[in-house]
Amino acid sequence: KAGVTQTPRYLIKTRGQQVTLSCSPISGHRSVSWYQQTPGQGLQFLFEYFSETQRNKGNFPGRFSGRQFSNSRSEMNVSTLELGDSALYLCASSPTGEKVGELFFGEGSRLTVL
Amino acid sequence: GQQLNQSPQSMFIQEGEDVSMNCTSSSIFNTWLWYKQDPGEGPVLLIALYKAGELTSNGRLTAQFGITRKDSFLNISASIPSDVGIYFCAGGTSYGKLTFGQGTILTVHP
Repeated sequence: KAGVTQTPRYLIKTRGQQVTLSCSPISGHRSVSWYQQTPGQGLQFLFEYFSETQRNKGNFPGRFSGRQFSNSRSEMNVSTLELGDSALYLCASSPTGEKVGELFFGEGSRLTVL
Repeated sequence: GQQLNQSPQSMFIQEGEDVSMNCTSSSIFNTWLWYKQDPGEGPVLLIALYKAGELTSNGRLTAQFGITRKDSFLNISASIPSDVGIYFCAGGTSYGKLTFGQGTILTVHP
């Protein structure tokens, strides 16, 4: 069974630009969560989607947004990039999200903002 | 917001030694989990705990969900070189949302 796939793995952007990251969950998983990982703040929850609906949201500004498609694939977008947005963005999937925490993480997309 | 205090921040041990790390919180969690992250990869779930007082083992790993629901510990017995990595505790409350500790960096000397 293929794992969680995230693309792109690495990307470099400049301040003010926007970026879109993609996540394909494990086949059959309908819940997708996104996390930001930085050395200073650690792993922080961004949002969770299930059946194309955002069910949960972390404490990030509105520049961070996401969506989920009918095939459970998800994208997250960051607009007006800031230097502090440089991070590893991790996507995780679970069958329904009901069993909190049994998340299967992808390898992440490493974003560098210059 | 919720915060988890994970300790120790790092550990340097000899192969074969046992390891203990723990996590405390000022808030109650419904679920406690332990993940391990290797360089260049996402975290991998080691153990999930769903009931206060629950003690669960997974091979050489043992973890407990504290009675107060505000803490958890992880023990690794007879460490081996492949145990090297960063270990994270995480508390779960609702859909997909985990609050992570800052991590424990484990180094195992052969």
